[in-house]
Amino acid sequence: AQRVTQPEKLLSVFKGAPVELKCNYSYSGSPELFWYVQYSRQRLQLLLRHISRESIKGFTADLNKGETSFHLKKPFAQEEDSAMYYCALRLSGGYQKVTFGTGTKLQVIP
Amino acid sequence: DAGVIQSPRHEVTEMGQEVTLRCKPISGHNSLFWYRQTMMRGLELLIYFNNNVPIDDSGMPEDRFSAKMPNASFSTLKIQPSEPRDSAVYFCASRSGTSRYNEQFFGPGTRLTVL
Repeated sequence: AQRVTQPEKLLSVFKGAPVELKCNYSYSGSPELFWYVQYSRQRLQLLLRHISRESIKGFTADLNKGETSFHLKKPFAQEEDSAMYYCALRLSGGYQKVTFGTGTKLQVIP
Repeated sequence: DAGVIQSPRHEVTEMGQEVTLRCKPISGHNSLFWYRQTMMRGLELLIYFNNNVPIDDSGMPEDRFSAKMPNASFSTLKIQPSEPRDSAVYFCASRSGTSRYNEQFFGPGTRLTVL
């Protein structure tokens, strides 16, 4: 069965410091990976997906199939990045079920 | 569009009582998902529907939990009887079958407290 692991429950960084939120997955096929974000008092929303290969709000994530990782990175953290981040995996082949990790709370210290 | 709508936003009840959570997906979306969010376990998928039909309910904790989707615009998640360990935030999400990005759109959640 597929699994998504986010090893850190809480990550605190200073404003301007680099950020890396770790995500590892276990799945033998070719999954589709996502990062969702939940800002305070807001709905959970899609941040980015690996297929898009785009940068959103300065965040990027590269799918590393060899290491089965999909870490979320940003070179310079901003206070408004403080939020809960969830890594998620969708199976290939048309399945709709998405498996989420346990989430990492990012706290950017001014 | 107001997005996914959930009600109530907050529910406080006593152990043993029946709890019903409601969800209205985005119009035109054909998939609906129920999740439970806790500090310890993060976001867990409970059940999802495709075209109003339950596809995967393997995440439903036990028989006390049941979910229905009588039509394309409404779904309920019922807990009977409720227990303190059911306290969590319950999210509903919907997705369009034609979505380019396979994105799920989440509701604001229902915060359930069982005393």
